[in-house]
Amino acid sequence: KNEVEQSPQNLTAQEGEFITINCSYSVGISALHWLQQHPGGGIVSLFMLSSGKKKHGRLIATINIQEKHSSLHITASHPRDSAVYICALSNYGGSQGNLIFGKGTKLSVKP
Amino acid sequence: DTEVTQTPKHLVMGMTNKKSLKCEQHMGHRAMYWYKQKAKKPPELMFVYSYEKLSINESVPSRFSPECPNSSLLNLHLHALQPEDSALYLCASSHLPGRVAGELFFGEGSRLTVL
Repeated sequence: KNEVEQSPQNLTAQEGEFITINCSYSVGISALHWLQQHPGGGIVSLFMLSSGKKKHGRLIATINIQEKHSSLHITASHPRDSAVYICALSNYGGSQGNLIFGKGTKLSVKP
Repeated sequence: DTEVTQTPKHLVMGMTNKKSLKCEQHMGHRAMYWYKQKAKKPPELMFVYSYEKLSINESVPSRFSPECPNSSLLNLHLHALQPEDSALYLCASSHLPGRVAGELFFGEGSRLTVL
């Protein structure tokens, strides 16, 4: 069983739709990261969470430590949101920088 | 300045060439990282520098040689690479965590092609 599972793997939405990407994990963590990667590009750190909820613009991330689950929400989606969204874990006892990466969710937002 | 800057953005090299990838940050981060990412795969950690000293080498072949000349710069020296080393090489930095992870800031990556 993978330590971190993301769903869905692929997601197509119409511009303006509300989007949710889910991440479930099975290990103890010190933090959970949501990352964004555009095709052929570098990675942008969207959020780092250890509890509760964070909001930045149209993006909201939540985490439930007891249920080992996190969600990334995008409100009023736009074609420029098209990217791969990656959930990554900082693991207790794991070496520094050695994140456990999910396989990513590829989001396409159509105009 | 919240940027990690990587140069060059693209590099094509032969198997006998020697080249270097460079990474720079001015956020005062004392931890810097090299990752390798193949197409449609998650990044794989290669090296970690803490306070300019190599703290983690994830069993990377010696044809990759990292260097951290000061707290803002991180280099990756490349020599005698193989075509399978073609990938996106990502640099990242963070404040040094204690037992709690620090947020990672990534660069745009250097796309390496080995012919």
